[in-house]
Amino acid sequence: GENVEQHPSTLSVQEGDSAVIKCTYSDSASNYFPWYKQELGKRPQLIIDIRSNVGEKKDQRIAVTLNKTAKHFSLHITETQPEDSAVYFCAAGTGGGNKLTFGTGTQLKVEL
Amino acid sequence: SQTIHQWPATLVQPVGSPLSLECTVEGTSNPNLYWYRQAAGRGLQLLFYSVGIGQISSEVPQNLSASRPQDRQFILSSKKLLLSDSGFYLCAWSRIGGGYGYTFGSGTRLTVV
Repeated sequence: GENVEQHPSTLSVQEGDSAVIKCTYSDSASNYFPWYKQELGKRPQLIIDIRSNVGEKKDQRIAVTLNKTAKHFSLHITETQPEDSAVYFCAAGTGGGNKLTFGTGTQLKVEL
Repeated sequence: SQTIHQWPATLVQPVGSPLSLECTVEGTSNPNLYWYRQAAGRGLQLLFYSVGIGQISSEVPQNLSASRPQDRQFILSSKKLLLSDSGFYLCAWSRIGGGYGYTFGSGTRLTVV
């Protein structure tokens, strides 16, 4: 089955700096890569996703890049703000049952 | 629009007692449904998923079971809870066919004492 590794497990940045979270996946059949943000005690929420026919996608201050050859994808957050502090999860999946395999999460802390 | 309801929000149960958590989805038909567990400070562990009524796939052997008696209803159960069953349980749905993200329910925080 699919295996997703996520790094780092914790990340502290100063407000205004950029943050990068990286994930690798094992199943070359995976073609869908979403990112979720989970604030303390709340549900994970989809913030951005990318499909395997695209190399990069941006939405305001967040962007995701995908390297299919190397089987890794990354989340980039620019101009970080305190409200970006949360746990971020990457995931990878394919069609059929649409089962997603999640990474272990990154605790991002944006310090003033 | 689609919404997902999950209840209860919090639950404290003694060891050995039964469990029933319910999840329902509105505004869509034939969704894929999922149960995840999240231990404190940890990642998301897939417990069960379902692609249709009565169709349940189990990802890990455990003390829990799942059922889907109706198209948009997914139930997580246990006959006898263990201390290790404590955690944050999340129901989720996605469109069938793949290539779509999950929408999670608000979660149930279960503490087994």
